[in-house]
Amino acid sequence: EAQVTQNPRYLITVTGKKLTVTCSQNMNHEYMSWYRQDPGLGLRQIYYSMNVEVTDKGDVPEGYKVSRKEKRNFPLILESPSPNQTSLYFCATGRSPGGYNEQFFGPGTRLTVL
Amino acid sequence: EDQVTQSPEALRLQEGESSSLNCSYTVSGLRGLFWYRQDPGKGPEFLFTLYSAGEEKEKERLKATLTKKESFLHITAPKPEDSATYLCAVQAYAGGTSYGKLTFGQGTILTVHP
Repeated sequence: EAQVTQNPRYLITVTGKKLTVTCSQNMNHEYMSWYRQDPGLGLRQIYYSMNVEVTDKGDVPEGYKVSRKEKRNFPLILESPSPNQTSLYFCATGRSPGGYNEQFFGPGTRLTVL
Repeated sequence: EDQVTQSPEALRLQEGESSSLNCSYTVSGLRGLFWYRQDPGKGPEFLFTLYSAGEEKEKERLKATLTKKESFLHITAPKPEDSATYLCAVQAYAGGTSYGKLTFGQGTILTVHP
């Protein structure tokens, strides 16, 4: 079954404690991206990756890091989380390198930073 | 800077009452405009991609249209199962790898009453 997997699905942590949210896909897609969704602000892109070892900033990259060492995985790293990073996070993939076609979204990770 | 504005923020319809959702956009050069549907607690699900003014696409009770400044999502004879948040997003032509960037509107919450 084609799918995008995110882990963990729910996470409560404290300020400053480094964390990683994983994203994995089994569709052999070139493009992967991270978004955060906040009430009143909608979906905002954090980082995206056109292909392995190629990443670029979205609209809200501050406080986040990503890496794309292999095609199927695109982890999101919060080195020192802060309460303003409390949000619902989505990973997405797309067939074309530019995300030009439809994107497939994961189930989401709800993060709370205390 | 790319901008996407969706209206109305929320729309309540009776079953069978047709209506339209609006997505106004400002981009330097449109590469693609996307419509997604999002159910509560889930990731967005792809509906349509439109590439150029005048283009139209249909799927069941939904029809998406595109002009040079806005897109409409027409819902004909909606059913309660069409209740969801509908998201519009744009991708612009840009240099280097930045054409992978996607900008979303805040969404329209559609409720269809039986």
